[in-house]
Amino acid sequence: DAGVTQSPTHLIKTRGQHVTLRCSPISGHKSVSWYQQVLGQGPQFIFQYYEKEERGRGNFPDRFSARQFPNYSSELNVNALLLGDSALYLCASSNRQGNTEAFFGQGTRLTVV
Amino acid sequence: AQSVAQPEDQVNVAEGNPLTVKCTYSVSGNPYLFWYVQYPNRGLQFLLKYITGDNLVKGSYGFEAEFNKSQTSFHLKKPSALVSDSALYFCAVRDRSNTGKLIFGQGTTLQVKP
Repeated sequence: DAGVTQSPTHLIKTRGQHVTLRCSPISGHKSVSWYQQVLGQGPQFIFQYYEKEERGRGNFPDRFSARQFPNYSSELNVNALLLGDSALYLCASSNRQGNTEAFFGQGTRLTVV
Repeated sequence: AQSVAQPEDQVNVAEGNPLTVKCTYSVSGNPYLFWYVQYPNRGLQFLLKYITGDNLVKGSYGFEAEFNKSQTSFHLKKPSALVSDSALYFCAVRDRSNTGKLIFGQGTTLQVKP
């Protein structure tokens, strides 16, 4: 079975540009979450979507947005990129909320120059 | 505020010796607790979780963790370390709200020397 897949794996963008990151959850999983992991720190929660609705939002500016599609895949969009947005962006899926574990993709390494 | 603390940036053990990676948490109510492992340039791999029941939970690759409610701790353990266990370990809690949000510690690097 395919795990959580993210694309692209690496990306270099210039300050001020826009970026879209994509995530396909494990088949049957309806919940997708996004995390930002800055080097040397633990992942920080950005968004959670369940059944195509936003169920949680972390402490990130409005430049960050996301959506979930009918097939439960998801996109994370970041506008007006800053150098500080450079990080590993992780997508996680689970089959429901609550006590089930989340399964993570390999991440997208975003570098803003 | 909800938080997770991993007090050690790095833990060094010799192969074959037992290992412990510490985690304490501050979350209202009874949380769900998780351990994940991250290898270089990779995503996070689920190791084990505590939801309810026995305080000692067993997970993947011979790892186990002990939940202590009075000390609000969830330490990761393994009786005999392998060199291949060397990686970055994260403790996480999920609150019981409807967001599904995981709160991670800052991570502990485990170095197992031959």
